[in-house]
Amino acid sequence: EPEVTQTPSHQVTQMGQEVILRCVPISNHLYFYWYRQILGQKVEFLVSFYNNEISEKSEIFDDQFSVERPDGSNFTLKIRSTKLEDSAMYFCLSSDYYNRNSGNTIYFGEGSWLTVV
Amino acid sequence: DQQVKQNSPSLSVQEGRISILNCDYTNSMFDYFLWYKKYPAEGPTFLISISSIKDKNEDGRFTVFLNKSAKHLSLHIVPSQPGDSAVYFCAASEGNQFYFGTGTSLTVIP
Repeated sequence: EPEVTQTPSHQVTQMGQEVILRCVPISNHLYFYWYRQILGQKVEFLVSFYNNEISEKSEIFDDQFSVERPDGSNFTLKIRSTKLEDSAMYFCLSSDYYNRNSGNTIYFGEGSWLTVV
Repeated sequence: DQQVKQNSPSLSVQEGRISILNCDYTNSMFDYFLWYKKYPAEGPTFLISISSIKDKNEDGRFTVFLNKSAKHLSLHIVPSQPGDSAVYFCAASEGNQFYFGTGTSLTVIP
């Protein structure tokens, strides 16, 4: 079973600090996403990434957020100056969009818990 | 605006009985639907999917039904087992964009 790996699994950071969440998506996938879930709330879309550029982003994904795939394997989410309300579980997703009719198309990472204090 | 809704935040079922989890959506352009299971402190794992060209897909104890006219999706688990206790998310996609429901917490009582 292919895996999406995320690091760190849990990070505590002070408000205003920069945070980088890392993801290694599945190697032959082309679409990558970041979603987050604030405790007790719905899963929220942040950004999708295709062909080394952002294809869509939500209102949440403001100038404090950025993504990149610096080396062709890691897919990172950077939050430049964290706020208390950024505390959430951040999920990296990897999608095999073009094989969508063969079953699963979305693979989730285990998530990174971010706690901003 | 929530495009995918799971109106029941929780459900309790006796072991061996059927669990029915429901999901409603608003966008008629959604063409692919998936169900995920999530245990605490873990990422969601895939359960079953269905394309909009079908109305039913079955995989072992799990069956997903799609009613396009009602914009309604349901997941049936038969028979339910204690290990099925988890949060279940439905998801719908239009193109490469996915939308998730808020989840239903299923408890299977031994």
